[in-house]
Amino acid sequence: GQQVMQIPQYQHVQEGEDFTTYCNSSTTLSNIQWYKQRPGGHPVFLIQLVKSGEVKKQKRLTFQFGEAKKNSSLHITATQTTDVGTYFCAGLRYNTDKLIFGTGTRLQVFP
Amino acid sequence: NAGVTQTPKFQVLKTGQSMTLQCAQDMNHEYMSWYRQDPGMGLRLIHYSVGAGITDQGEVPNGYNVSRSTTEDFPLRLLSAAPSQTSVYFCASRENTEAFFGQGTRLTVV
Repeated sequence: GQQVMQIPQYQHVQEGEDFTTYCNSSTTLSNIQWYKQRPGGHPVFLIQLVKSGEVKKQKRLTFQFGEAKKNSSLHITATQTTDVGTYFCAGLRYNTDKLIFGTGTRLQVFP
Repeated sequence: NAGVTQTPKFQVLKTGQSMTLQCAQDMNHEYMSWYRQDPGMGLRLIHYSVGAGITDQGEVPNGYNVSRSTTEDFPLRLLSAAPSQTSVYFCASRENTEAFFGQGTRLTVV
C-alpha cells in the first residue's frame, strides 16, 4: 500500500483563509521535500527539510519536519488564488535512493 | 536550458501493444526516475536509476522495463499495454536534492 499518506485529499478555502496539509510516512525518512503541481503541469520543488524538528518559512508558507522524521506539514497563511494546485510531500528512505511521494493534497481557493 | 524532456506528450495504445516513453536530461544528473500519477494515488515510483548501467524497481514496477545506457537517457518500456496502465507518466532527474520533472506523457490504453 501507499507508504506516504497526506491529508486532506482535497481542501477548498476562501481567499484569505489559512490552509494546512499533513504528511505521514510509515517509515523514518532521511529528509522531506515539498512540491507544488499547478493544474495541467508538472511537480515543482518548493523546499527540503533534513533535521528532526526543523521549521522553514518561505513568505506565507511554513514547513515543519517532525521530531521522529516520519511526518511533516505545510501551512499557508492567508491563501491567494495563485496558491491553487496540488501539494506533494516526498521523502527519501534511509539507506535507499528511492524518493517516495505522498498522495497529495489538492487545494482550491475561491476569490 | 532544456532540463528534462519527455516524448511523446500524448499517446493512445490498444491493449497488448508495446511502446517506449522517452526521457532525456541535460543536467548530468545521476539519479533518474519514472513515476505514474493517478487520481487520489499521488505519484508512484515505477523504476529508478542511480547511474548509467544501474536500475532498480520502485513501488509499482510490474509491466514496465527500463534501461540506462547513458547518463542522459532513461526510457520506459511498456511490454504489453493494459487498460490499468492508463495514467500520466512523469520522468524526473535529480542530483542530491531537488527533483526536476519533465512535462509528462498522458497515456490512454483502450
